Amino acid sequence: GAVVSQHPSRVICKSGTSVKIECRSLDFQATTMFWYRQFPKQSLMLMATSNEGSKATYEQGVEKDKFLINHASLTLSTLTVTSAHPEDSSFYICSARDTFTGTNNYGYTFGSGTRLTVV
Amino acid sequence: QKEVEQNSGPLSVPEGAIASLNCTYSDRGSQSFFWYRQYSGKSPELIMSIYSNGDKEDGRFTAQLNKASQYVSLLIRDSQPSDSATYLCAVNIYGQNFVFGPGTRLSVLP
Repeated sequence: GAVVSQHPSRVICKSGTSVKIECRSLDFQATTMFWYRQFPKQSLMLMATSNEGSKATYEQGVEKDKFLINHASLTLSTLTVTSAHPEDSSFYICSARDTFTGTNNYGYTFGSGTRLTVV
Repeated sequence: QKEVEQNSGPLSVPEGAIASLNCTYSDRGSQSFFWYRQYSGKSPELIMSIYSNGDKEDGRFTAQLNKASQYVSLLIRDSQPSDSATYLCAVNIYGQNFVFGPGTRLSVLP
């Protein structure tokens, strides 16, 4: 089945630094990648939708200059948290759908998630 | 009104019992429905999908969809402690992005 590889799984960084999270679709092409954030004991919150070759679409309340998304190829999307602060500490998860074999009736595949801790 | 609603739980059932998880959605244009399981500290994994009214069975899992009532449920038969997790209902609205419910925490007691 479709696999989305996400790295790193855990990262601890100092306040004010930037962190890059990568998501790769290993055996399919992902035209669209979704980035979610999940705080403890809360549900997934969609942050942005990343489309290959174009600018990402951000959800209301998500700062596009703080959460930089790049989707330069059909198999790779990155999320960079710039000038991270402790309130950015969260679980970040990407997901994608196999565009060429899937329809809207196919579930999305999630990456394994990145636990970001900003100290 | 939230688009996808679930009871947050926790729902506690004894081992071997049937766990019943419920989800309601507000948009009648919703086309497809999914249940994900999420263990603590892990990302969600797809366990069931359903598109048509009625029941769909897969092993110990049965998804039930009633579009008229805008209701989808997940039954887990012979519940095991390893089923203890948060179950997320997801709805595909107008063929666009998924909308997730808040999740129901299930605890299966040995």
